[in-house]
Amino acid sequence: GENVEQHPSTLSVQEGDSAVIKCTYSDSASNYFPWYKQELGKGPQLIIDIRSNVGEKKDQRIAVTLNKTAKHFSLHITETQPEDSAVYFCAASLGGGFKTIFGAGTRLFVKA
Amino acid sequence: GAVVSQHPSRVICKSGTSVKIECRSLDFQATTMFWYRQFPKQSLMLMATSNEGSKATYEQGVEKDKFLINHASLTLSTLTVTSAHPEDSSFYICSAREPRGNYGYTFGSGTRLTVV
Repeated sequence: GENVEQHPSTLSVQEGDSAVIKCTYSDSASNYFPWYKQELGKGPQLIIDIRSNVGEKKDQRIAVTLNKTAKHFSLHITETQPEDSAVYFCAASLGGGFKTIFGAGTRLFVKA
Repeated sequence: GAVVSQHPSRVICKSGTSVKIECRSLDFQATTMFWYRQFPKQSLMLMATSNEGSKATYEQGVEKDKFLINHASLTLSTLTVTSAHPEDSSFYICSAREPRGNYGYTFGSGTRLTVV
């Protein structure tokens, strides 16, 4: 089955700096890669996603890149703000109604 | 956007009792919902796939007789933790996908279960 690895487990940056979180997946058939932000005591919220037919996607300060050959994808947050502090999860799935497999998560701290 | 409502948000129960958690899709129908379990500072572990009108599909290692899933309608799935023990204490989260949207899943707000 699919296995998703995520690094780093913890990331601390200064406000205004960029943050990068990297993930790799094992199943070459996976074609949908969402990223979720989870705040303490709450469910995950989708912040950006990318499909396998696209190499990069950007939404304001957040961007995701995908390298299908290498089977890895990354989340880039620019101009970080304290409210970006949370746990971020990458995930992979076959899309549609198929199950989603999550990475272990990255705890991001943005210091003011 | 799609909203998934999950209740209760917190529940404390005694060992040996059963607890039911509800997951509702608002304004959309979900033929498939997923149930996850999350331990403190850990990732989401898929427990089972809930299919409307049929039996749930459980992941390896998840006891189907302990974690009963019912998906009786296109907008409601329930997870019942039967004969709860302290080790069942965890954060349980459901998710569903709005079929007309993209591939993204919407998650409920989670249920913090504490078994004493």
